[in-house]
Amino acid sequence: DAGVIQSPRHEVTEMGQEVTLRCKPISGHNSLFWYRQTMMRGLELLIYFNNNVPIDDSGMPEDRFSAKMPNASFSTLKIQPSEPRDSAVYFCASSLQTGAFFGQGTRLTVV
Amino acid sequence: RKEVEQDPGPFNVPEGATVAFNCTYSNSASQSFFWYRQDCRKEPKLLMSVYSSGNEDGRFTAQLNRASQYISLLIRDSKLSDSATYLCVVRGGRSGGSNYKLTFGKGTLLTVNP
Repeated sequence: DAGVIQSPRHEVTEMGQEVTLRCKPISGHNSLFWYRQTMMRGLELLIYFNNNVPIDDSGMPEDRFSAKMPNASFSTLKIQPSEPRDSAVYFCASSLQTGAFFGQGTRLTVV
Repeated sequence: RKEVEQDPGPFNVPEGATVAFNCTYSNSASQSFFWYRQDCRKEPKLLMSVYSSGNEDGRFTAQLNRASQYISLLIRDSKLSDSATYLCVVRGGRSGGSNYKLTFGKGTLLTVNP
């Protein structure tokens, strides 16, 4: 099993640019989570899907953030326009009933 | 009250010591409980689930007290390789949609010294 796959691993972008983070969950898992981690705030849940349907997006900080899950094997998190305060590590995780398994994360730096 | 609250730490212990991590959660309808560990600049990894009857995996023992909404993790005979941040995780809630939600505590950093 390849595990949860995220891309890119690192992203450096200029303020105002659009950023798209990608995630391929573990095959057969029906829940997918997007988290953001910073030193100050720890791991914050942004949004999660169950069976490709967004269940709770109350953690999405602003309208600049959007997430989609067009099918069971792919999800995106988009930030448009990006700001320096969006700099963080973004994790995608998937699960089936129990604990979730994380991808290696995307380290985003907005300058 | 925060949804999941942990000892802020950090903990610095010598090799061979016993270390206890504590965690409380606010939602009494929570259904599943876990401990994760996260190494520096790595992703969180599932360490163990926590069952009502308590469970053990080698040097690690997890316990759950639903009445007190309290979870614990005990590490015996700590090793240098146990150095990491330990995260308490709670799953589920009252309404149907929140049954899937996984909420993390902020974590407690453990450093095991030689």
